[in-house]
Amino acid sequence: AQTVTQSQPEMSVQEAETVTLSCTYDTSENNYYLFWYKQPPSRQMILVIRQEAYKQQNATENRFSVNFQKAAKSFSLKISDSQLGDTAMYFCALLTGNQFYFGTGTSLTVIP
Amino acid sequence: KAGVTQTPRYLIKTRGQQVTLSCSPISGHRSVSWYQQTPGQGLQFLFEYFSETQRNKGNFPGRFSGRQFSNSRSEMNVSTLELGDSALYLCASSREQVSSYNEQFFGPGTRLTVL
Repeated sequence: AQTVTQSQPEMSVQEAETVTLSCTYDTSENNYYLFWYKQPPSRQMILVIRQEAYKQQNATENRFSVNFQKAAKSFSLKISDSQLGDTAMYFCALLTGNQFYFGTGTSLTVIP
Repeated sequence: KAGVTQTPRYLIKTRGQQVTLSCSPISGHRSVSWYQQTPGQGLQFLFEYFSETQRNKGNFPGRFSGRQFSNSRSEMNVSTLELGDSALYLCASSREQVSSYNEQFFGPGTRLTVL
């Protein structure tokens, strides 16, 4: 069975600071992909960043980067220079077997 | 290009009733996936439809069913509603079948409340 665990239900960060959201996963599959999605309040969910498990290099998208530790099955998201628009629910997701498995989410609030 | 649309946006039903939710994917997208989002469980996969065929199904009871039409629009039906079915139901479309290189685009969701 595949599982995705986000152990931080809520987090806050001061504007312009850096915050890291944690995610651990479990799968017995060798071929899988990891994603972070963002769901702003009352707005649609959008893809933030994706990581291929076979790539050792951590993915980066502007202010967003991941720390992918394959052996530890850990996939954390770092947001640098946090902005008010980063306030949202963040979901970690695992894709394997052509199906997505999502964590329970971390609600991030950026404080002005 | 218009995004994924879902109707209705809000719905209130009573236990035992049935409900049908609709999802219109982005033009040109042939895959539609449905998810149930609840505060305690996060997003849970319901099913994926591709070219009018159910391609994949999550671990939900048979009360949850769906279909996809030739124009790729999809409907989800829940029969004999239970209180625990109260949730935000999201649909997501992608150009082809769900895979690592076909990004999913999510709709705004339908908020279902069962009284």
